[in-house]
Amino acid sequence: DSGVTQTPKHLITATGQRVTLRCSPRSGDLSVYWYQQSLDQGLQFLIQYYNGEERAKGNILERFSAQQFPDLHSELNLSSLELGDSALYFCASSVGVGGLQETQYFGPGTRLLVL
Amino acid sequence: AQSVTQLDSHVSVSEGTPVLLRCNYSSSYSPSLFWYVQHPNKGLQLLLKYTSAATLVKGINGFEAEFKKSETSFHLTKPSAHMSDAAEYFCVVSGNAGNMLTFGGGTRLMVKP
Repeated sequence: DSGVTQTPKHLITATGQRVTLRCSPRSGDLSVYWYQQSLDQGLQFLIQYYNGEERAKGNILERFSAQQFPDLHSELNLSSLELGDSALYFCASSVGVGGLQETQYFGPGTRLLVL
Repeated sequence: AQSVTQLDSHVSVSEGTPVLLRCNYSSSYSPSLFWYVQHPNKGLQLLLKYTSAATLVKGINGFEAEFKKSETSFHLTKPSAHMSDAAEYFCVVSGNAGNMLTFGGGTRLMVKP
């Protein structure tokens, strides 16, 4: 158990809908990262927040957004969902801003199925 | 930019025999490298990491990896496979600022009794 929690574990929704995925980092960690794991794209970095501020952005679609709250939990919002958004979404956390010496610890993931 | 290539998408070994999972990386700087394991329907667990200290890195569950700069490789090995090692393994390189991880395509390890 990494100490990173994600809810819900599974989510089934329809195309065009909007969902929110939630992540709580390990105690003391200030950075939260979001990744998407899909069959065709593999594991891809989406976005990082550090202490409430966006820090780095990867291959995140404009329909997706994230935020980190004062208590450091983070939410990933996915809107206008398409079939291709079906994937496993991971959250990770690390102590600091993300230097080369840091380790990211991953949560169990949220499996999203868009029908 | 950085990239990672895992040379085998599937590896099958017999229980008790050695494991070798191959990884090559590309980076314009001195990277940090990681191996993560994903068991079925589970999250990603860190096996080991290299951060420019010793080139031979020991991880959990008897795994180790050797960083070879001249070959740009970071292969994962284990002397004796166990049934519980069956999982998907990811070789990962960190971004220049250390915050963006780039994952290889994964190697599925199967262990036969």
